[in-house]
Amino acid sequence: QKEVEQNSGPLSVPEGAIASLNCTYSDRGSQSFFWYRQYSGKSPELIMFIYSNGDKEDGRFTAQLNKASQYVSLLIRDSQPSDSATYLCAVNRAETSYDKVIFGPGTSLSVIP
Amino acid sequence: DTAVSQTPKYLVTQMGNDKSIKCEQNLGHDTMYWYKQDSKKFLKIMFSYNNKELIINETVPNRFSPKSPDKAHLNLHINSLELGDSAVYFCASSRRVIGDYEQYFGPGTRLTVT
Repeated sequence: QKEVEQNSGPLSVPEGAIASLNCTYSDRGSQSFFWYRQYSGKSPELIMFIYSNGDKEDGRFTAQLNKASQYVSLLIRDSQPSDSATYLCAVNRAETSYDKVIFGPGTSLSVIP
Repeated sequence: DTAVSQTPKYLVTQMGNDKSIKCEQNLGHDTMYWYKQDSKKFLKIMFSYNNKELIINETVPNRFSPKSPDKAHLNLHINSLELGDSAVYFCASSRRVIGDYEQYFGPGTRLTVT
């Protein structure tokens, strides 16, 4: 079983819709969880992190974490064409960013105008 | 000002050659990383240094050797390049502070081995 799994996509949603991105992880000791966005030909950039069960909202983005189910998701409300990118889920055993972060394979999102 | 910079941006070379990629960060971070992203976009950590000390050394061939002359620089030297080394290599940095979660990535170096 891979350590971090995501649907590879591509996931296509119409502009204005909610995009739902899912991620599962295998290590029950994982403490912190990240969503990075990567535009084509660019480097990853952090958009959300979460370390407690439940929801965390930041603007149009909501991260959801369920440690019992080893599941983390990212919801993007009112999707815009500029949200079209690959979204990388990442997990870390520690409550910091400096220990080994394991990335998932990414989900490609396409927002159709 | 560029936070994490890498040179070169593109590198095309032949099998068997030796090449280096340089990385510098001006964020004052203590920890730096090298990642490899293959054609399937899978981002995989290779090495991590904290204050010039190697703290993460994943299973990579011995042909890859990182070097950190100071905490703001982390270089990657690759000997005897192989076709399978073709990928985008990202340098990243972060603070070593609990609660600080972000890794800052450089623009990447696209390595093509022919």
